[in-house]
Amino acid sequence: QKEVEQNSGPLSVPEGAIASLNCTYSDRVSQSFFWYRQYSGKSPELIMSIYSNGDKEDGRFTAQLNKASQYVSLLIRDSQPSDSATYLCAVNPDDYKLSFGAGTTVTVRA
Amino acid sequence: ETGVTQTPRHLVMGMTNKKSLKCEQHLGHNAMYWYKQSAKKPLELMFVYSLEERVENNSVPSRFSPECPNSSHLFLHLHTLQPEDSALYLCASSPGLAGDVQYFGPGTRLTVT
Repeated sequence: QKEVEQNSGPLSVPEGAIASLNCTYSDRVSQSFFWYRQYSGKSPELIMSIYSNGDKEDGRFTAQLNKASQYVSLLIRDSQPSDSATYLCAVNPDDYKLSFGAGTTVTVRA
Repeated sequence: ETGVTQTPRHLVMGMTNKKSLKCEQHLGHNAMYWYKQSAKKPLELMFVYSLEERVENNSVPSRFSPECPNSSHLFLHLHTLQPEDSALYLCASSPGLAGDVQYFGPGTRLTVT
């Protein structure tokens, strides 16, 4: 079983719509959760971190964490063409490792 | 700019060559990492260093040899690579080890011919 699974995508949304990205993880003791954005040919950049159950909002991004369901999601509101990228979910299953999902590619149609 | 730099950005090498990748972080972090990213696959953790001590060697072939002379610099020495080693090699750093955010460098795109 994969440690971190993301909806496979690709996800295509019209400009201005909400993009919803999902991630499930297998290790119940995970405490830290991150969303990274990776543009084609570039390295991952952190966009959100979340540690407690519930929602965390930062601008147009909202991360949602439900540890009981082992589920973390990312919502992108008012999607812009510049949001077109691959989004990586990362989970910390032990002291120092981050386990990454394979990523979901998002395309925002103008 | 994340404060993590990598050189070279692109590298083409033959299977009999020896080359090194360099990573430097200007963030005062104590932990540094090497990852391999192949097309359509999740990031693969290769090595982890904390305060210059290796804490993880994730079943990586011996043709990859890491070196961490101090907490700001990390090298990946390459020799007798295979074409399947062609990938994006990413360096990252974090303040400590315990679930901290990792900040990535721009990566080195490696092609083995």
